[in-house]
Amino acid sequence: AQKITQTQPGMFVQEKEAVTLDCTYDTSDQSYGLFWYKQPSSGEMIFLIYQGSYDEQNATEGRYSLNFQKARKSANLVISASQLGDSAMYFCAMREGEYGNKLVFGAGTILRVKS
Amino acid sequence: ETGVTQSPTHLIKTRGQQVTLRCSSQSGHNTVSWYQQALGQGPQFIFQYYREEENGRGNFPPRFSGLQFPNYSSELNVNALELDDSALYLCASSRDLNEQFFGPGTRLTVL
Repeated sequence: AQKITQTQPGMFVQEKEAVTLDCTYDTSDQSYGLFWYKQPSSGEMIFLIYQGSYDEQNATEGRYSLNFQKARKSANLVISASQLGDSAMYFCAMREGEYGNKLVFGAGTILRVKS
Repeated sequence: ETGVTQSPTHLIKTRGQQVTLRCSSQSGHNTVSWYQQALGQGPQFIFQYYREEENGRGNFPPRFSGLQFPNYSSELNVNALELDDSALYLCASSRDLNEQFFGPGTRLTVL
């Protein structure tokens, strides 16, 4: 069974600095996908970045990058130049299998950006 | 904004009642997934609909049921509500496996 582990319940970062949010996963499938979502207090889940298990390069989307280490089964999110608006809950999620139809989410990490 | 809409925004029901939540998917998306997010937890997969057929189900009892319409909008129905059903219910639409775009959610409170 799939499992996503986010070991940091909460993180603080100074505005304009970079921060890394940790995510490890467990799967026996060779083909899978990894997602990161941001959830502000309003509740909406905002898609940030996606990494496929066969992608050779780490995914990047603007200030977001995914540090994908397949052998370690980790998919850490790096946010560069943090902004006050980045304060939110962040979830790592995995789609298992080539035709997997569900996302399995971790427990989340609360990020607070300090001015 | 994802283009996925959900209604209602908030809902209060009592134990034993039934509830219907609605989701309109993003244009061109033929797949809708429903998730339940209890307070302080990550979302849990309820089920998915693809072209009006159920395409996978999570560990939820049969009193959680769904429907997808020809325009790909979807409903989640919950019968015999229990206190533990209080949660944020999220709908996500997608066109392929590398994306799932979520709506703003419906916050259900069961008293």
